[in-house]
Amino acid sequence: QSVLTQPPSVSGAPGQRVTISCTGSISNIGAGYEVHWYQQFPGTAPKLLIFANTNRPSGVPDRFSGSKSGTSASLAITGLQAEDEADYYCQSYDTGLSGSVFGGGTKLTVL
Amino acid sequence: EVQLVQSGAEMRKPGESLKISCKASGYSFSNYWIAWVRQMPGKGLEWMGIIYPGDSDATYSPSFQGQVSISADKSMNTAYLRWSSLKATDAAMYFCARSSPAAQADYWGQGTLVSVSS
Repeated sequence: QSVLTQPPSVSGAPGQRVTISCTGSISNIGAGYEVHWYQQFPGTAPKLLIFANTNRPSGVPDRFSGSKSGTSASLAITGLQAEDEADYYCQSYDTGLSGSVFGGGTKLTVL
Repeated sequence: EVQLVQSGAEMRKPGESLKISCKASGYSFSNYWIAWVRQMPGKGLEWMGIIYPGDSDATYSPSFQGQVSISADKSMNTAYLRWSSLKATDAAMYFCARSSPAAQADYWGQGTLVSVSS
């Protein structure tokens, strides 16, 4: 049971918009710590997708965006493409654990 | 170019010791934290701990404190993850990543698969 809660799965048709939520608490996201998002394909290492709540590393398409409010954060993917089918994880820092934590992960299926 | 290259897959028996490595290149190794992340088969990412190679200051997630040891050798630009006595439940893929305690992990190693079976 992760400290950060994500839906196990989301799905959408090509071209649609999907969002993935990451719900935390006052000891992590709500304490002001930044949220980061990763994309992982089967059998490969995670890739940084969004850092510091809303920022995209160089090379990440602007179809991917992040937001944060209160004790939650969200990853939005617009113009869904088949190649976006992957697992997505959020990450933040937790004061109670004195370290980083990941969400449980969300599997995105492109219908 | 920043690269983290991890050691190869390992097979061990329960009770045996193991040390896997993560060799960094393309940046100043001493000045960036290295984190270790576990991914059990079919499961999500778990943050295990982190080390600052500059002074070997290491912090562990409570779930992994006392179960593993994280170290770094500045002269070799290499971080290590060590078990003194493996359990079957340690079987997983292990990733190293350049990070810092509250920041993003911007570069990742390719992963090291650890198998533990009698």
